[in-house]
Amino acid sequence: ETGVTQTPRHLVMGMTNKKSLKCEQHLGHNAMYWYKQSAKKPLELMFVYSLEERVENNSVPSRFSPECPNSSHLFLHLHTLQPEDSALYLCASSQVPDTGELFFGEGSRLTVL
Amino acid sequence: EDQVTQSPEALRLQEGESSSLNCSYTVSGLRGLFWYRQDPGKGPEFLFTLYSAGEEKEKERLKATLTKKESFLHITAPKPEDSATYLCAVYTGANSKLTFGKGITLSVRP
Repeated sequence: ETGVTQTPRHLVMGMTNKKSLKCEQHLGHNAMYWYKQSAKKPLELMFVYSLEERVENNSVPSRFSPECPNSSHLFLHLHTLQPEDSALYLCASSQVPDTGELFFGEGSRLTVL
Repeated sequence: EDQVTQSPEALRLQEGESSSLNCSYTVSGLRGLFWYRQDPGKGPEFLFTLYSAGEEKEKERLKATLTKKESFLHITAPKPEDSATYLCAVYTGANSKLTFGKGITLSVRP
């Protein structure tokens, strides 16, 4: 495996379900990110982790809960989501947090019914 | 608040027809401007970083330039495989946050 891998690629869930998105980076980077991409909107930063510590929580609703157990893995736990949360969720990593050169995974397409 | 505006929203070119994509920005203290390419169903792929006005970067048929207010991505003699969405983003160093534009969808017809 190389680069940044995300699972699952597609997820459909009801508003009362609990699910998790997983991201793994094989680049030896020290920072990891969650971004949300909705149609016709710019990419929105959700969370940043640097050396496993959260450094930015960009006013994200508490129904999204990140977890970074080590520098290679990042999770996004989802619960009680709303239909407007349907989007492409992208994981990214970078060598250091103070950079705009990010390496993205292919994303997890989430649909909330 | 940092703002990034990309234009046009969509661009259709004939193969070989050169053109430019625009990214205008309003930020306080630019530390870097970044171009990404995103193919359908994929995550963005990093292309270029520009740090200061007057700087230029090239990669194959792509050339990125930067002024104090905007950046251009010039595409010379494009091929169908250049079809993608091109994203521009600015970084000011605040809270590790990149501010992205909405992107420009480029279609190149054979």
